[in-house]
Amino acid sequence: DTAVSQTPKYLVTQMGNDKSIKCEQNLGHDTMYWYKQDSKKFLKIMFSYNNKELIINETVPNRFSPKSPDKAHLNLHINSLELGDSAVYFCASRRAGEQYFGPGTRLTVT
Amino acid sequence: DAKTTQPPSMDCAEGRAANLPCNHSTISGNEYVYWYRQIHSQGPQYIIHGLKNNETNEMASLIITEDRKSSTLILPHATLRDTAVYYCIVRVEGDNFNKFYFGSGTKLNVKP
Repeated sequence: DTAVSQTPKYLVTQMGNDKSIKCEQNLGHDTMYWYKQDSKKFLKIMFSYNNKELIINETVPNRFSPKSPDKAHLNLHINSLELGDSAVYFCASRRAGEQYFGPGTRLTVT
Repeated sequence: DAKTTQPPSMDCAEGRAANLPCNHSTISGNEYVYWYRQIHSQGPQYIIHGLKNNETNEMASLIITEDRKSSTLILPHATLRDTAVYYCIVRVEGDNFNKFYFGSGTKLNVKP
């Protein structure tokens, strides 16, 4: 009965590969987000979708492409992975003013 | 483009009140202040939010200054399980979006 789930929890891959991270929420929320947390623990918003529509697209390399097949899912695809992409990626969904975060996906690019 | 500044770390004795400060001197009139915490590397957890008035819930109290340029999160009786990184956040609302700007966080160490 997890509210916001992400898969995988850990992802280790080599530079140049393409990978996807999946996020699902069972809270019935319309809005979902992707955040990146770097090694200094700074959390920065990347994207937001509202009812499958992209509404926030921060200054993120276009190697990152979010996809929302329905309002319960928001996936993140990353092409041509670079060392600097190593971070923890958090998905969140929002009802009114409160966000609910997933457990995070630790991505390590070698 | 952080909109908040926080001390990097604070200590607190178990059972005492923990008072965590945050500066948000550029906040606009309709922007809310939020507090979240992150225990170990788990997903951040909502604590409380407010606009102008002080707020209290079962977890904490939020005191916002009259000019809204700073706020303080108060954990009235800190326990060891409150050891975490506490983030002060400004929520910016647009026509069809809400953006949450996280600060750099304060690592609260609750000690026995």
